[in-house]
Amino acid sequence: DAGITQSPRHKVTETGTPVTLRCHQTENHRYMYWYRQDPGHGLRLIHYSYGVKDTDKGEVSDGYSVSRSKTEDFLLTLESATSSQTSVYFCAISESRSGAGDTQYFGPGTRLTVL
Amino acid sequence: SQQGEEDPQALSIQEGENATMNCSYKTSINNLQWYRQNSGRGLVHLILIRSNEREKHSGRLRVTLDTSKKSSSLLITASRAADTASYFCASAVLVGKLIFGQGTTLQVKP
Repeated sequence: DAGITQSPRHKVTETGTPVTLRCHQTENHRYMYWYRQDPGHGLRLIHYSYGVKDTDKGEVSDGYSVSRSKTEDFLLTLESATSSQTSVYFCAISESRSGAGDTQYFGPGTRLTVL
Repeated sequence: SQQGEEDPQALSIQEGENATMNCSYKTSINNLQWYRQNSGRGLVHLILIRSNEREKHSGRLRVTLDTSKKSSSLLITASRAADTASYFCASAVLVGKLIFGQGTTLQVKP
């Protein structure tokens, strides 16, 4: 978890409210990723960023948006939270694209509960 | 759709025994990686094997890759109670993303 922090670590919110999760890195890695982890589904990619203001969708992007205005910060926003978005969210970073061989380094996770 | 399928989903062994986990994937890969996750923590990278490699070792870990069968295996030798965790394979597809399997939960009994 060194060099990657996520905030908040735990959050309980109500259906329909907006939620923003923050990922902060001190490694100056170019690529940042948001995943969600659910029982029976493993980790699924929500969005990723390959540079400041450069983002792209992952496998399960519906209902989520992201922003990256600085190299060190990657924000994940649930515009109107739903119960199906109850999950554990992980941020990850890598120096370059995973397809080029670089490994990913993960943050400690944020446990989000939507009531 | 899931790229990686792991087998078994759960494995329970005694300390000192070997643990083998298998992973299958569907499309061409650049490399395949294995990660470990302790309960309540983030994933930690263990080992990476490139598509042109067949076997790789790191300490008590041995990873094999068979691209003709689109499968990989992770062997942990002389397991310890501290190896208790979930293990995930992740395939690095050519478009530049990691796709994770559902994981194998390993319990090593003292």
